[in-house]
Amino acid sequence: KNEVEQSPQNLTAQEGEFITINCSYSVGISALHWLQQHPGGGIVSLFMLSSGKKKHGRLIATINIQEKHSSLHITASHPRDSAVYICAASWIGGGADGLTFGKGTHLIIQP
Amino acid sequence: NAGVTQTPKFQVLKTGQSMTLQCAQDMNHEYMSWYRQDPGMGLRLIHYSVGAGITDQGEVPNGYNVSRSTTEDFPLRLLSAAPSQTSVYFCASSYVGGTYNEQFFGPGTRLTVL
Repeated sequence: KNEVEQSPQNLTAQEGEFITINCSYSVGISALHWLQQHPGGGIVSLFMLSSGKKKHGRLIATINIQEKHSSLHITASHPRDSAVYICAASWIGGGADGLTFGKGTHLIIQP
Repeated sequence: NAGVTQTPKFQVLKTGQSMTLQCAQDMNHEYMSWYRQDPGMGLRLIHYSVGAGITDQGEVPNGYNVSRSTTEDFPLRLLSAAPSQTSVYFCASSYVGGTYNEQFFGPGTRLTVL
């Protein structure tokens, strides 16, 4: 079964720290998605990438296809970054049958 | 654009009752899907559709029905609710090619089955 693993499950950090969340997957993908879910809120797509690196504000997503690994970085973290971060994969040959999701990383940024 | 909307936001059912969770999108997306989210588990795909009149099963389809009569709407029907269907349900949409494009999620429906 195609799987997506995230680490850590929970992460508490101080405001201003550099944050890294990791995602690994089992077989070849066509795209890797990073999503954000706020407490009680909906899910927002942050990045979709199939190679290299993408940056949006203080958020950076990288992917290493050979190592089947992706990371989400947050620079100068802020309490408003507190959320669950989810990675999800769409698989080569997987067609249109949805994404496979990791279990999420619960991030808390303390002031 | 309203994006992806879902109703209701909250629902409590008794075992055996039926109901329909509504999902609509105004972005003319061909691909729509339903996921459920349970504590300690990743989101899991229930059903999906690649266009009006076309639906297919996902990972956990049992106990749910869907239909897609228009591009905009993709309702999810619980035929006979069971406590195991207590969950948060998310509807999502994207341009055709589905998983290869950014997915837009609705705000979710929190369902409790007693």
